[in-house]
Amino acid sequence: DAEITQSPRHKITETGRQVTLACHQTWNHNNMFWYRQDLGHGLRLIHYSYGVQDTNKGEVSDGYSVSRSNTEDLPLTLESAASSQTSVYFCATGGPSSGKDTQYFGPGTRLTVL
Amino acid sequence: QQQVKQSPQSLIVQKGGISIINCAYENTAFDYFPWYQQFPGKGPALLIAIRPDVSEKKEGRFTISFNKSAKQFSLHIMDSQPGDSATYFCAASVRQGAQKLVFGQGTRLTINP
Repeated sequence: DAEITQSPRHKITETGRQVTLACHQTWNHNNMFWYRQDLGHGLRLIHYSYGVQDTNKGEVSDGYSVSRSNTEDLPLTLESAASSQTSVYFCATGGPSSGKDTQYFGPGTRLTVL
Repeated sequence: QQQVKQSPQSLIVQKGGISIINCAYENTAFDYFPWYQQFPGKGPALLIAIRPDVSEKKEGRFTISFNKSAKQFSLHIMDSQPGDSATYFCAASVRQGAQKLVFGQGTRLTINP
């Protein structure tokens, strides 16, 4: 069955370290998204991609970067982790190939920055 | 800049009652309005969605009511069950094809048995 996987599921890191969160999908969807979820803010868009080599900034992109070298993966990098980046991160995919307008979400990565 | 405002933040309903969650949006270019359901430790999952060309959509016990002129939409859960206890998010996007979503702040729903 097609799916979205995120790794790691839990991560504790220190302020100033570089961290990369992985997102892998087997849906063959063109569109991929990274959101962060914080209490009182819902889900906020960090970066998104509509295809290979395409990346775009979302609402809260400062301190984050992504790259899209293939259809299946969109890794999210925190260049220098800050305590304000402690959050739960969700990857989502969707797109015309799915025949639907919905986005499918991964299980999330809980990141703690100490 | 919060383009989609959701209320209430939390809601407690007795089993069998009606749960109502409201959302308001600002961007008149939005043309897709989904609701997502999220259980603890899981990612959000699509529950039901509506386009602005209809005023209501019903799927089982879940109904979306849409008021284009007021720029508001709401989720109604009829005959609420303890298994409906979850966090619900409204969202909106422009254009079709799983484009980027703007989410409301979320509502934590608790159904008391």
